[in-house]
Amino acid sequence: DTAVSQTPKYLVTQMGNDKSIKCEQNLGHDTMYWYKQDSKKFLKIMFSYNNKELIINETVPNRFSPKSPDKAHLNLHINSLELGDSAVYFCASSQGGHNEQFFGPGTRLTVL
Amino acid sequence: KQEVTQIPAALSVPEGENLVLNCSFTDSAIYNLQWFRQDPGKGLTSLLLIQSSQREQTSGRLNASLDKSSGRSTLYIAASQPGDSATYLCAVRSWGGGYQKVTFGIGTKLQVIP
Repeated sequence: DTAVSQTPKYLVTQMGNDKSIKCEQNLGHDTMYWYKQDSKKFLKIMFSYNNKELIINETVPNRFSPKSPDKAHLNLHINSLELGDSAVYFCASSQGGHNEQFFGPGTRLTVL
Repeated sequence: KQEVTQIPAALSVPEGENLVLNCSFTDSAIYNLQWFRQDPGKGLTSLLLIQSSQREQTSGRLNASLDKSSGRSTLYIAASQPGDSATYLCAVRSWGGGYQKVTFGIGTKLQVIP
């Protein structure tokens, strides 16, 4: 059983386009996260939602907007894609904001 | 601002050796520290989570310790195996700017040679 799943696994798109990455967890967790891992493999948190409430909000361009329709889903919508947005995006979840995080397999976004 | 450093950046050891990976952080007011491994092209796999009130956690051949006052954590791997080859990351959860923060180190790339 897949605990944290992301779709798509790969996403190749042109600059200026708008795209979404979906994340779902079946662990019954109430907290979900989005991370960006750049070409140097540095992992940086972007957002976190607990019960659909934003609890972590790092400095990211407002072109990035997380959307949480329910506790099991946290989608990432990106407007006006730029070359620098190319990276691997990871979704994660945990039960509560202070507990062990479980990661999805990642979505490799390439902006041409 | 929380900063997390991992030393060494890369490590190569023969199979069977015991080894220690280091993680240091600048702000000791943390909630917890979590160790992960990441295989090439894959997501992160959680290894151990240490809450701020704990000193160590153990899972199989892995033991992680936490010294909040000195801003350090170590991950001890006993009797290393080729399957342990991966990048090991530590992540610190803390508070700052009105929100929780999760700060990762850059990782230690481990190669265990058969």
